[in-house]
Amino acid sequence: SQTIHQWPATLVQPVGSPLSLECTVEGTSNPNLYWYRQAAGRGLQLLFYSVGIGQISSEVPQNLSASRPQDRQFILSSKKLLLSDSGFYLCAWGVVQETQYFGPGTRLLVL
Amino acid sequence: GDSVTQMEGPVTLSEEAFLTINCTYTATGYPSLFWYVQYPGEGLQLLLKATKADDKGSNKGFEATYRKETTSFHLEKGSVQVSDSAVYFCALAKTSYDKVIFGPGTSLSVIP
Repeated sequence: SQTIHQWPATLVQPVGSPLSLECTVEGTSNPNLYWYRQAAGRGLQLLFYSVGIGQISSEVPQNLSASRPQDRQFILSSKKLLLSDSGFYLCAWGVVQETQYFGPGTRLLVL
Repeated sequence: GDSVTQMEGPVTLSEEAFLTINCTYTATGYPSLFWYVQYPGEGLQLLLKATKADDKGSNKGFEATYRKETTSFHLEKGSVQVSDSAVYFCALAKTSYDKVIFGPGTSLSVIP
């Protein structure tokens, strides 16, 4: 069966520090991968998605970037965090027109 | 462009009450429709789905019917429990693009 991992689960970082969140998927090949952000009390915001290694589509211009160095690895990064980057970050995988499977999420607090 | 609209809530119900969360969509072609649920502090998980008109998705006592004539996919449950307290997201997906379009989510709180 397929499994999706995210880490860390919780992160507290100072403003201006770098960020690296990692997501890995097991049990499937060549999945579409997604990064979402959920601010407190708000809906899902799609940040990036990837249909293959090295292929990244950005949905919203912002302080973040994404990379897909391996088929089942998706990384969300920032060089300098802003207060507004705080939120709940969710990684997901899926195939076209089918169910998306979400990881457990990373709660990021920027102080 | 394609979109999903749902009541944002919060919705507060007493245990054993009837639940309806409305969802309507705008899309060309024949999208698949989904309901996802997010329990506090967790990621989303699929609750039910329907892939063509008049299909009914069902799971854990929840139901939703794909109504193409009204472009709707309303979520219903006959008797809610405290454990149903969560945020519910309606969503659509199409073969013509690689991402899923989510509604804004509806927060449900069930009180004993």
